[in-house]
Amino acid sequence: EIVLTQSPGTLSLSPGERATLSCRASQSVSSSYLAWYQQKPGQAPRLLIYGASSRATGIPDRFSGSGSGTDFTLTISRLEPEDFAVYYCQQYGSSFGGGTKVEIK
Amino acid sequence: EVQLVESGGGLVQPGGSLRLSCAASGFTVSSNYMSWVRQAPGKGLEWVSVIYSGGSTYYADSVKGRFTISRDNSKNTLYLQMNSLRAEDTAVYYCASSSGPDAFDIWGQGTMVTVSS
Repeated sequence: EIVLTQSPGTLSLSPGERATLSCRASQSVSSSYLAWYQQKPGQAPRLLIYGASSRATGIPDRFSGSGSGTDFTLTISRLEPEDFAVYYCQQYGSSFGGGTKVEIK
Repeated sequence: EVQLVESGGGLVQPGGSLRLSCAASGFTVSSNYMSWVRQAPGKGLEWVSVIYSGGSTYYADSVKGRFTISRDNSKNTLYLQMNSLRAEDTAVYYCASSSGPDAFDIWGQGTMVTVSS
């Protein structure tokens, strides 16, 4: 079973700043099979990125995904107030990372 | 409108059983890969089970032998039968859908399961 490790656990930033979230896999993951989700308190997760780098429908272009093999990154170019949330990476249909909380500094 | 609506959660004693339902609208459950994902209070997401469009089923080790995923095509509904429940099964249970081996692009709102005496 592939284990996904996300870092940092918490990211404290101000609106307008750039956020860089990491997801590292214990074994190589096909880039086509890596997704990122956003979850706000009391809500279901929402798909942001699929195939490591493709934005889901309706996702603003300030969100971008990159990476391959065992190292993947989610970047939020300029944080908007609504972007403060928890972010999870996932290998399709299987394990999730532990999450990164992006909080207001 | 594409939608998933879960139901069936509640309070159950350790060792008890519960069946969760997930009613789909706007798409056909049998054409998609349908999964259950849970989230314990204050914790992260945990994949629980999947049923493929072809009918194959898979489970996380933590629930294997205790939980059963199924679907009723006539009702366009996904189920999760949970037996021998433990305190550590306490969580919000979400159903989620993907078009084949893909990311979960449709999620339900979740239903809370509490296992406690």
